[in-house]
Amino acid sequence: EDKVVQSPLSLVVHEGDTVTLNCSYEVTNFRSLLWYKQEKKAPTFLFMLTSSGIEKKSGRLSSILDKKELFSILNITATQTGDSAIYLCAVVEKTGANNLFFGTGTRLTVIP
Amino acid sequence: GAGVSQSPSNKVTEKGKDVELRCDPISGHTALYWYRQRLGQGLEFLIYFQGNSAPDKSGLPSDRFSAERTGESVSTLTIQRTQQEDSAVYLCASSQVAGLYEQYFGPGTRLTVT
Repeated sequence: EDKVVQSPLSLVVHEGDTVTLNCSYEVTNFRSLLWYKQEKKAPTFLFMLTSSGIEKKSGRLSSILDKKELFSILNITATQTGDSAIYLCAVVEKTGANNLFFGTGTRLTVIP
Repeated sequence: GAGVSQSPSNKVTEKGKDVELRCDPISGHTALYWYRQRLGQGLEFLIYFQGNSAPDKSGLPSDRFSAERTGESVSTLTIQRTQQEDSAVYLCASSQVAGLYEQYFGPGTRLTVT
C-alpha cells in the first residue's frame, strides 16, 4: 500500500498565485517528513518537519505538519515561473532502514 | 566538493552488459542511500549504508543488483546482465546520520538499456 500520498498530482497556476500542496502519510513509527523540489534529475531539500504545528518558512515557501491527522502542506505564495517543478514529500520511519518513502509528487507549472 | 557527485551522468548500455554507477557523498556524511526513478514514477528506495555496512538491502529489485561502500565514502551500485526495465535515473543521497537528518541528493545517473 502507498505510505505517502500527494495531491493534487498536477497543478497549473499563473504567476502571482498562491498554491497549497498536500501530503498525507500512513506509517507505523513516524520519525520525520521532508519536502523536496525536483527539477530535472535531482531533488533539492526544502524542509524537514518533525513536530506538529510548527511552521517552517523559507522565503515564499512554508510548510507545516499535523501528526494527529497525518498530513503536511507546502504553501508557495506569489508563485514565479522558477517554482515550476515536481514537489516531493517523503517520510522517514523509525526503523532500522531509515530510508525515505516518497510520494509520487505534485507537478507544479507556473504560467507567466 | 560541496555536494554529492555521481558518475557517469549518462550511461547507455546494451542489454545483458554489466554497469557500475559511482557515488561520492558529502564529506563526513556517514549515511548513503541509493534510489531509482523510472520514467513517470516516484523515487524507489534501493539500499542504504550506515558507514560501510548495508543494514537494509530489501529494496534491491533482484540479485542482479549489488552495492558496496568503502572507506565510509565512495559507493558503487552494480547492475549485472542489464535488462531494459533497469532503464531509469539512479540517484544517490547522503546524510550526516541515517534517519533524522535531511538527505542531500546527487545529480543522478541516467541509465538507458537498449
